[in-house]
Amino acid sequence: QVTLRESGPALVKPTQTLTLTCTFSGFSLSTSGMCVSWIRQPPGKALEWLALIDWDDDKYYSTSLKTRLTISKDTSKNQVVLTMTNMDPVDTATYYCARIIRSGGYYDGFDYWGQGTLVTVSS
Amino acid sequence: SYELTQPPSVSVSPGQTARITCSADALPKQYAYWYQQKPGQAPVLVIYKDSERPSGIPERFSGSSSGTTVTLTISGVQAEDEADYYCQSADSSGSWVFGGGTKLTVL
Repeated sequence: QVTLRESGPALVKPTQTLTLTCTFSGFSLSTSGMCVSWIRQPPGKALEWLALIDWDDDKYYSTSLKTRLTISKDTSKNQVVLTMTNMDPVDTATYYCARIIRSGGYYDGFDYWGQGTLVTVSS
Repeated sequence: SYELTQPPSVSVSPGQTARITCSADALPKQYAYWYQQKPGQAPVLVIYKDSERPSGIPERFSGSSSGTTVTLTISGVQAEDEADYYCQSADSSGSWVFGGGTKLTVL
């Protein structure tokens, strides 16, 4: 059974750095093809992809946010960590982590998602 | 940057067919994916690789692709299908993009 759970602060101040942890079970990020991604959704708005890390430790970032994002993994703990620097009120959103499998050179879609964690940026 | 364009809303009566389009602004188009999101819930994958349906997703959900436009079709729409639907794809650098979402209303 695959599960993912996001954790981190519910409130951060402007200019602070946000650190979110995705703890997962039911699969291993050391298995070929496994990837974990972060996606966010501001209240009432659309989904926005942020970053992805794969089993081989390759990392991909949103073009518009890449200077602020860092994604990393701890395979032994089944965790993926996302840091976002210089937080602003416009970064207020629900942050999701999700699994995606790469097979045959293509991806199979984000098939399992965490329940999301709401992060509010306010002084 | 790569963009995906969806209509903001689509309305259909129960039992009718709903079609939601997603247009890419450039070639080449990678595979497209579709997600259903109900209020207060995480998205659920309903179509992957343009037209594949994950296990557990009803057969009334189907996907197709033509040129730079992909379409999610829901045949015999049911009240429970009322939700927001998002398309997703990737550009050539491996950066993923979501469309702006379409609110499906079942009249």
